[in-house]
Amino acid sequence: GIQVEQSPPDLILQEGANSTLRCNFSDSVNNLQWFHQNPWGQLINLFYIPSGTKQNGRLSATTVATERYSLLYISSSQTTDSGVYFCAGFDGTASKLTFGTGTRLQVTL
Amino acid sequence: DVKVTQSSRYLVKRTGEKVFLECVQDMDHENMFWYRQDPGLGLRLIYFSYDVKMKEKGDIPEGYSVSREKKERFSLILESASTNQTSMYLCASRTIMAGSTYEQYFGPGTRLTVT
Repeated sequence: GIQVEQSPPDLILQEGANSTLRCNFSDSVNNLQWFHQNPWGQLINLFYIPSGTKQNGRLSATTVATERYSLLYISSSQTTDSGVYFCAGFDGTASKLTFGTGTRLQVTL
Repeated sequence: DVKVTQSSRYLVKRTGEKVFLECVQDMDHENMFWYRQDPGLGLRLIYFSYDVKMKEKGDIPEGYSVSREKKERFSLILESASTNQTSMYLCASRTIMAGSTYEQYFGPGTRLTVT
């Protein structure tokens, strides 16, 4: 199966700072998604982004499928952005999502 | 909006008990999934279901079974709970209808403690 790696594993930001999270995958993936897991454990859908760029408020994401990576941009970070960010995708034949290892983000005042 | 609900947010059970975790989705999704999440191990797929009465083993099915009698409901069953099944359990669903995005949605999770 595919391997999905995320970097950095941990990130501490001051409120107002910008950041970029990266997701690399070992083979072509379909249906790439980004999730935010809040402190209560719920996985919130951020983006469904198999290719191209999307923006939603302070967040945006870009997937370059031919080069096997995706980026999540967080601008003007807020304390409510804290949590763990996961990327995940389906490979060409599997019917299940493969998750990355996650980036744990802490935004401080 | 897609809504996936789980029967309990927190659950405490004793070793040897039979435990039922229920998941309901309201979007007529064909596929449903059960994961568990443990520190350092990430999310691991236990079972999934393509459609009603269909089920497939995931990566860690041992000690679990599932039931999907109705399209909207997917149940995870711990036949005889053990302490190593203490974990966060997450349910998810998605549609595979032509023209859809195949985006997967998660429920709020159930934190199960087995004592």
